Amino acid sequence: SQQGEEDPQALSIQEGENATMNCSYKTSINNLQWYRQNSGRGLVHLILIRSNEREKHSGRLRVTLDTSKKSSSLLITASRAADTASYFCATDGANSKLTFGKGITLSVRP
Amino acid sequence: EAGVAQSPRYKIIEKRQSVAFWCNPISGHATLYWYQQILGQGPKLLIQFQNNGVVDDSQLPKDRFSAERLKGVDSTLKIQPAKLEDSAVYLCASSRGGRFQETQYFGPGTRLLVL
Repeated sequence: SQQGEEDPQALSIQEGENATMNCSYKTSINNLQWYRQNSGRGLVHLILIRSNEREKHSGRLRVTLDTSKKSSSLLITASRAADTASYFCATDGANSKLTFGKGITLSVRP
Repeated sequence: EAGVAQSPRYKIIEKRQSVAFWCNPISGHATLYWYQQILGQGPKLLIQFQNNGVVDDSQLPKDRFSAERLKGVDSTLKIQPAKLEDSAVYLCASSRGGRFQETQYFGPGTRLLVL
């Protein structure tokens, strides 16, 4: 079963704009992670936020976590064409087992 | 540091045939995972090893799928016999284990097509 559900399913923006992606989940978590997957490639870990954290930054990435609403958002600022990819949120529960959502397809137009 | 290696990258077989995938995790990583990713969906965990022991195989279809991790390093995932619905990308990932287990490092995947 897939715990995380991303929203929107697809997003198309112009280069330089910001991209915001949301993730909702159902059960309690240890942490929430975001991964990126380029077409036909493996997943790359972007950022991890623990359940006791509310916001975290890494370069052009900003992630927030609201455990009361069981939701997270990923913001990519000043997007680039190279950011075009699928983005997945994954919740980490028992035994460090990651449960992935279906993903968001981001297209950044040059 | 070398990444997670997988082979083959692509495989086409007919239904009822068998197939095997190989994974070499990052050196020193205690935990190894196999995921199945069907087109348009997120990865689904099939099996998780801690060293050479199985931690979680609750979503592994054990009537046709098997996996082993000999000596706690390399791993193989086998499907026998394959069904059409097994067409997917099979991803291997590894993590350091212990309290550094959280970040998983993924290989490029093996794309399987069952005809």
